[in-house]
Amino acid sequence: AQRVTQPEKLLSVFKGAPVELKCNYSYSGSPELFWYVQYSRQRLQLLLRHISRESIKGFTADLNKGETSFHLKKPFAQEEDSAMYYCALSGLGQGGSEKLVFGKGTKLTVNP
Amino acid sequence: NAGVTQTPKFRILKIGQSMTLQCTQDMNHNYMYWYRQDPGMGLKLIYYSVGAGITDKGEVPNGYNVSRSTTEDFPLRLELAAPSQTSVYFCASSRGQGKWNSPLHFGNGTRLTVT
Repeated sequence: AQRVTQPEKLLSVFKGAPVELKCNYSYSGSPELFWYVQYSRQRLQLLLRHISRESIKGFTADLNKGETSFHLKKPFAQEEDSAMYYCALSGLGQGGSEKLVFGKGTKLTVNP
Repeated sequence: NAGVTQTPKFRILKIGQSMTLQCTQDMNHNYMYWYRQDPGMGLKLIYYSVGAGITDKGEVPNGYNVSRSTTEDFPLRLELAAPSQTSVYFCASSRGQGKWNSPLHFGNGTRLTVT
């Protein structure tokens, strides 16, 4: 079964400090991993996906299959990064249909 | 494009009442989903649809029903509201499934309280 674990419910850093939001997954196949973000009073939206190998708003995430992790990193946090972040895994569920499973989310607060 | 639109934004129901949460998308996406988000928990899939006329259960379907008569609309029905259904409900859509199609577009959510 697919599982996504975000061990930190809350994460607080100061502006300009590095930030890392942890995500570990459990999946026997080849996963597709995503980070979604929800800013205050806005809808949940895709931040980045591992297959794109892109950097969005200064964030990057590398898939580490050995450690089954997909941590989200940013070298210098900004106040506008304060939001709720969800890690998600897309993989084949029972019956062969693809399903997206979300972690419980990490609330990031960047203090001035 | 408006994207995914959910109505209402807020609703308070009494136990045993019924209601329909509306969801519509204008992106011509085949796939649509209903998730619920309880405090401190991740999103849990209630129902999903891979196209008009086709729906399937997610992780937590009990107490809910859906229909998909058109590509645009995917309403969620609560027949006998219970306090355990107090939650924030999100509708989402995607072009399809697979590596490039999986990203979901979400609505703003409906905050439902059952008392």
